[in-house]
Amino acid sequence: QSALTQPASVSGSPGQSITISCTGTSGDLGIYNYVSWYQQHPGKAPTLMIFDVSNRPSGVSNRFSGSKSGYTASLTISGLQAEDEADYYCSSYTRSSTYVFGTGTKVTVL
Amino acid sequence: QITLKESGPTLVKPTQTLTLTCTFSGFSLTTNGVAVGWIRQPPGQALEWLALTYRNDDKSYSPSLKNRLNISTDTSKNQVVLTMTNVDPVDTATYYCVHRRPRLFGFDPWGQGTLVTVSS
Repeated sequence: QSALTQPASVSGSPGQSITISCTGTSGDLGIYNYVSWYQQHPGKAPTLMIFDVSNRPSGVSNRFSGSKSGYTASLTISGLQAEDEADYYCSSYTRSSTYVFGTGTKVTVL
Repeated sequence: QITLKESGPTLVKPTQTLTLTCTFSGFSLTTNGVAVGWIRQPPGQALEWLALTYRNDDKSYSPSLKNRLNISTDTSKNQVVLTMTNVDPVDTATYYCVHRRPRLFGFDPWGQGTLVTVSS
């Protein structure tokens, strides 16, 4: 299975909104709404930000939202803050009952 | 509170077998739908999903690595063990143990990770 495709980097100014895309195939994003998003700060373990396309775990800011259309999922960060600067990864369940991660996106707050 | 912690060697020689242990607390693998898995991240690279196991011994593996991986559980010790055979320097990575809740297709929380270097 191939990794999901994400842009290498996305940047924005404080207060702006940014969107990270995640593109898959008919074997993963195309058939399941089981997309999750993770935030990873340097030297730290990833943390779950969104699950099942658009659900936020308790404790995650409502500035983070998720959506999906066809083979592409998206993570939007509204009201960008300095603490949002991190790497972000999407992940999907697949038709083979396995999981696949995205290539990762580095978010820079200008 | 759910916690997971990885343990194992920090240095392994090429062709050897790597054995990693995940010791967890705050949940039971005997609960229906709960799963524990392994994910790795080579230095400076992306995450890669490796394997997952449930209470009923149902297991799944990365297609590209399934011939080299084995995941097993010891519910009495609250541990999940991952073995990887015939390691290579490209297997150098931080290995994370993760928890998956019932009916939630995401991993939360993650262990702190353990860096394994494969080198002669």
